[in-house]
Amino acid sequence: QSALTQPRSVSGSPGQSVTISCTGTSGNVGAYKYVSWYQQHPGKAPKLLIYDATARPSGVSDRFSGFKSGNTASLAISGLQADDEADYYCSSYAGSSTWVFGGGTKLTVL
Amino acid sequence: EVQLLESGGGLVQPGGSLRLSCAASGFTFSKYAMSWVRQAPGKGLEWVSGIGGTDDGADNADSVKGRFTTSRDNSKNTLYLQVSNLRAEDTAIYYCVNCWSGHWGQGTLVIVSS
Repeated sequence: QSALTQPRSVSGSPGQSVTISCTGTSGNVGAYKYVSWYQQHPGKAPKLLIYDATARPSGVSDRFSGFKSGNTASLAISGLQADDEADYYCSSYAGSSTWVFGGGTKLTVL
Repeated sequence: EVQLLESGGGLVQPGGSLRLSCAASGFTFSKYAMSWVRQAPGKGLEWVSGIGGTDDGADNADSVKGRFTTSRDNSKNTLYLQVSNLRAEDTAIYYCVNCWSGHWGQGTLVIVSS
């Protein structure tokens, strides 16, 4: 039940693009398409950005995109805005009603 | 509109117990496996426990095995987390989560302190 591996922090200037990686194993990210990405602002509950590795819920900006290859998933954010500054978490289904989360990535908009 | 409303958190002494509840509405509760996810102060998200839709099996993270038990009452659309033998490191906001749909409650705070 080891956590998925994410970079602790990333940064970018307004208008730029950033990518956050999420590395798991053949027992979670590599085994299932069920990878989700969440955005969390301070003091708030996480908000779903991406599900099933690449799908975007209605209402989520198309500036957010998800990808998956093998044991690694990625979240790309284009056209950075000040409000994108937040913590981002990946999660993956790991079988038998269990899930695993990444350690979180703090995005700073310079 | 999907709503998940947690309750039951509070201040408890080390070694104590609590039962957290999560009232669900706005979706067919019995169709979905549900999870509890916690977040310690200033830390990341940690999946703690999960249960199948028809109560067909539950599992816990190694960090809480033997101390936490998840159950559900589909007739009441309610998820429960029985937490016992609490430790200081269990201090966290506990979220009720439908990881399949990505819906989260607002969380209930558990503080373990003497």
